[in-house]
Amino acid sequence: DGGITQSPKYLFRKEGQNVTLSCEQNLNHDAMYWYRQDPGQGLRLIYYSQIVNDFQKGDIAEGYSVSREKKESFPLTVTSAQKNPTAFYLCASSIRTGETTGELFFGEGSRLTVL
Amino acid sequence: SQQGEEDPQALSIQEGENATMNCSYKTSINNLQWYRQNSGRGLVHLILIRSNEREKHSGRLRVTLDTSKKSSSLLITASRAADTASYFCATDEISWGKLQFGAGTQVVVTP
Repeated sequence: DGGITQSPKYLFRKEGQNVTLSCEQNLNHDAMYWYRQDPGQGLRLIYYSQIVNDFQKGDIAEGYSVSREKKESFPLTVTSAQKNPTAFYLCASSIRTGETTGELFFGEGSRLTVL
Repeated sequence: SQQGEEDPQALSIQEGENATMNCSYKTSINNLQWYRQNSGRGLVHLILIRSNEREKHSGRLRVTLDTSKKSSSLLITASRAADTASYFCATDEISWGKLQFGAGTQVVVTP
């Protein structure tokens, strides 16, 4: 079935460690996104990519890094520079039509807890 | 920064009642979208309304858009316990090129 797969679902990290969250899609979408969700808040955009080998910072990119070497994959690394990384991370993808953003398809999320 | 602001923050109703939630935004948009999120899960797209549309229906969902007031509403008719979830509006700003999400409305439907 087509969709977006995020892994791992739960991840624990010690302070000072980098961790990488995986996001894979088989929807043939050009655009991919990473959002962060904190309790009681909406989604905040970390990074997005509209095409392979290109990505842009969102609202809260500090302490995070991404790569887009393949159309299907958009991994997110949470570095030790991120001061408060405990959160729920959501990956999404969409079709891009010119300058308009269409429906986003989301993965099931990865919950990161820093011990 | 968040573009859409939902109102109310939380809503508790009984099965069979209608649920209405509102979204206000600040700048010009290409479209506005509504999503649903069950606890601990990813978001699911419900409906997209373009800036030149005023109303749209999908099953028990009715969405309106008033671009002069920069606001939208989502109506869920004849609610069911399975409608219990958080509902988010997201705006596709003309100058931004990405979706901006609001903080959401938490809806609880009791049997």
